[in-house]
Amino acid sequence: DTEVTQTPKHLVMGMTNKKSLKCEQHMGHRAMYWYKQKAKKPPELMFVYSYEKLSINESVPSRFSPECPNSSLLNLHLHALQPEDSALYLCASSQGRAFEAFFGQGTRLTVV
Amino acid sequence: AQSVTQPDIHITVSEGASLELRCNYSYGATPYLFWYVQSPGQGLQLLLKYFSGDTLVQGIKGFEAEFKRSQSSFNLRKPSVHWSDAAEYFCAVGASVDYKLSFGAGTTVTVRA
Repeated sequence: DTEVTQTPKHLVMGMTNKKSLKCEQHMGHRAMYWYKQKAKKPPELMFVYSYEKLSINESVPSRFSPECPNSSLLNLHLHALQPEDSALYLCASSQGRAFEAFFGQGTRLTVV
Repeated sequence: AQSVTQPDIHITVSEGASLELRCNYSYGATPYLFWYVQSPGQGLQLLLKYFSGDTLVQGIKGFEAEFKRSQSSFNLRKPSVHWSDAAEYFCAVGASVDYKLSFGAGTTVTVRA
């Protein structure tokens, strides 16, 4: 199983809403990632969890709050987002540093 | 820090013709190199990777890439493209010292009948 599963696939939320994106992998990977991708652009790294601890935060605004409840799950909690936060949010996992990352299908987020 | 350049923003190729996508990287040590493909609205799928060893690597969907240290390049090739190869292609470089994967800007491939 080389699958990373993301839910939901699509999400529309208002600027005052609170929502969460979920990501799951069962490959035994110990590193999990959140990326943000705008149209026609490469993915931009947001957060990295290694062994369930936050390893990298790429200066992401606090309205994005990651959580890693266990080694298979990764959440991204969203609160008070802005329209410019509309994007494809991709989750990925890997065995560790310098290993290939496996990506989920993404959540298409629209903030209205 | 590592970086990647994909010089071609958009390439149009006829079905059945060969395809080559260029990728140049910048990294002081031995790079870990990847090619990913992304169809519209989808996630990224790994085509192939280079860590060490044979500089010509084979991937999925009939793709191959050649690592040339002297040119800091990792170009992707396919001998005969299919209409389903129309997509966005990203070259990426990783390092052993951290988890960051640096992506190039991407190359959009259009396949004409």
